[in-house]
Amino acid sequence: DQQVKQNSPSLSVQEGRISILNCDYTNSMFDYFLWYKKYPAEGPTFLISISSIKDKNEDGRFTVFLNKSAKHLSLHIVPSQPGDSAVYFCAASERSNTGKLIFGQGTTLQVKP
Amino acid sequence: NAGVTQTPKFQVLKTGQSMTLQCAQDMNHEYMSWYRQDPGMGLRLIHYSVGAGITDQGEVPNGYNVSRSTTEDFPLRLLSAAPSQTSVYFCASSYGGGRADTQYFGPGTRLTVL
Repeated sequence: DQQVKQNSPSLSVQEGRISILNCDYTNSMFDYFLWYKKYPAEGPTFLISISSIKDKNEDGRFTVFLNKSAKHLSLHIVPSQPGDSAVYFCAASERSNTGKLIFGQGTTLQVKP
Repeated sequence: NAGVTQTPKFQVLKTGQSMTLQCAQDMNHEYMSWYRQDPGMGLRLIHYSVGAGITDQGEVPNGYNVSRSTTEDFPLRLLSAAPSQTSVYFCASSYGGGRADTQYFGPGTRLTVL
């Protein structure tokens, strides 16, 4: 059973507009959430994270929102740039903090010039 | 710092062969993990380690062995390769404690099993 789900395999947006990537989870023990970005032929790189004690975290053009009651998080990229085109993975970990991450399936973002 | 390094970058095996994927990190991280990435499946955790001498299973451990004799190295062994193990494999490491979950990934090993 997939504990972390990204239901949109792909997203296409125009340069300068907002990109919104969504992620749902089922395990109520998850207390830390992360977004990773992945370019082809490279390993994933950490983008932004949020603890369950917060509902928003911002870093430059990237903002992550967490809705615990809905078990939903989203990543907003404003404004979107062509260099943002990549696969985005959300990931979650439990309170046990073992370094064990559960990833979603990924969403491929294409930002058109 | 080289960060997380993985060798080889590419490998082709025949069914039944065994091999070891190497992973090393020079950041003195406590935690290390192995993931596989398959189309439509995201990254799935194979095995992980919270320190030298300690390993545990992830979501998809069958057909793989690991050991952690040093802090720096975390090799992944395929005992008898099967076509279902064709995938891209990523090794990752993290500090431990409060920063455990911000993992740093290697560049990956693309494995094909014929």
